[in-house]
Amino acid sequence: ETGVTQTPRHLVMGMTNKKSLKCEQHLGHNAMYWYKQSAKKPLELMFVYSLEERVENNSVPSRFSPECPNSSHLFLHLHTLQPEDSALYLCASSQGWLAGGTDTQYFGPGTRLTVL
Amino acid sequence: AQKVTQAQTEISVVEKEDVTLDCVYETRDTTYYLFWYKQPPSGELVFLIRRNSFDEQNEISGRYSWNFQKSTSSFNFTITASQVVDSAVYFCALSELPNTGNQFYFGTGTSLTVIP
Repeated sequence: ETGVTQTPRHLVMGMTNKKSLKCEQHLGHNAMYWYKQSAKKPLELMFVYSLEERVENNSVPSRFSPECPNSSHLFLHLHTLQPEDSALYLCASSQGWLAGGTDTQYFGPGTRLTVL
Repeated sequence: AQKVTQAQTEISVVEKEDVTLDCVYETRDTTYYLFWYKQPPSGELVFLIRRNSFDEQNEISGRYSWNFQKSTSSFNFTITASQVVDSAVYFCALSELPNTGNQFYFGTGTSLTVIP
């Protein structure tokens, strides 16, 4: 495996379900990101982890819960979601976070989430 | 106010035509980085280019070229002799160095369709 991988690629869940999205990067990077991509809207940064510590949390509802057990893996735990949470969830990684804009972010293929 | 504006929501061209995708950004910082990404139907954002604010030279990579003009705060992307495989959504992004972190600001994207 190379680059950034995400599983599952597609997920359909009811509002009462609990599910998790997984991201893995094989680039030796120290920062990982979760983005939400909704139609006709800019990518929304949700969470950032740097060296396994959360450094950004952009006012995301608590029904989204991230976890970063090590620098290669990032999870997004989902529970009691709403239909408006249906979107493409993208994971990205970069060499670092503290570089302040110099590090290119590399993206995974995303998980297409549908909440019924 | 949005930091990155991609005014063209959708563009259609016939194969072999040239096409330019516009990107206008807004920042008060003197040091910043600009990026272009391609998102094919598979969903993954593919990194295309990164430019820093001190390098205004145009860049060419095969059929792709980028025109960076600080005077107009624009970073436009031209595809020469377009091909069907160029059909995708293209995103422009800005990152400001004085930020404490590697946060990117994305435009809303331009959907390009190349008609055979």
